[in-house]
Amino acid sequence: EVQLVESGGGLVQPGGSLRLSCAASEFTFSSYWMSWVRQAPGKGLEWVANIKQDGSEKYYVDSVKGRFTISRDNAKNSLYLQMNSLRAEDTAVYYCAMRISTIEFWGQGTLVTVSS
Amino acid sequence: QPVLTQSSSASASLGSSVKLTCTLSSGHSTYIIAWHQQQPGKAPRYLMKLEGSGSYNKGSGVPDRFSGSSSGADRYLTISNLQSEDEADYYCETWDSKVFGGGTKLTVL
Repeated sequence: EVQLVESGGGLVQPGGSLRLSCAASEFTFSSYWMSWVRQAPGKGLEWVANIKQDGSEKYYVDSVKGRFTISRDNAKNSLYLQMNSLRAEDTAVYYCAMRISTIEFWGQGTLVTVSS
Repeated sequence: QPVLTQSSSASASLGSSVKLTCTLSSGHSTYIIAWHQQQPGKAPRYLMKLEGSGSYNKGSGVPDRFSGSSSGADRYLTISNLQSEDEADYYCETWDSKVFGGGTKLTVL
């Protein structure tokens, strides 16, 4: 069964940086687009970014453009999200997600709290 | 960019059926969507991919009580024989554009 395990969340001050990781297993990681989706406390889901199989295409929601960078290491079956210039409104649980055919898979999420 | 509209809340009795609606904005009525369930304190869980024709593909392990249908710009998720564990937030998402609806909080009475 597909497994996606996020890590790297924590408490960070406004203006700080954090790097999230998503370890993937039980599927051919290099064959699929990967995404980050976040959920602020008590709010709905919001797509953040996604990346093509070879990393050649990357897309971001407007609110994180220029601050967040999505990347992947296919040799390590890992997805990353480098988050810089963090703001209070970036506080959320961050999920990695992907699709195989008609099925979408989610990780368990990692909490990022931006606060002084 | 499409907009997906969901009612903020719904309720139904244990053992009954409920039909949740996700409405696509004008000009996007043919879009394919996905339905996700999020139980309290848990990660989202994929339920199904639902096409404008009403054809749907469910995820692994999703009970037969969950079904999908479509009419025009509306996409529906029907849950039959409601169980207590069905109390959750339900989100729709466009299949290709990564847009989420605001979610419907389902209460099982």
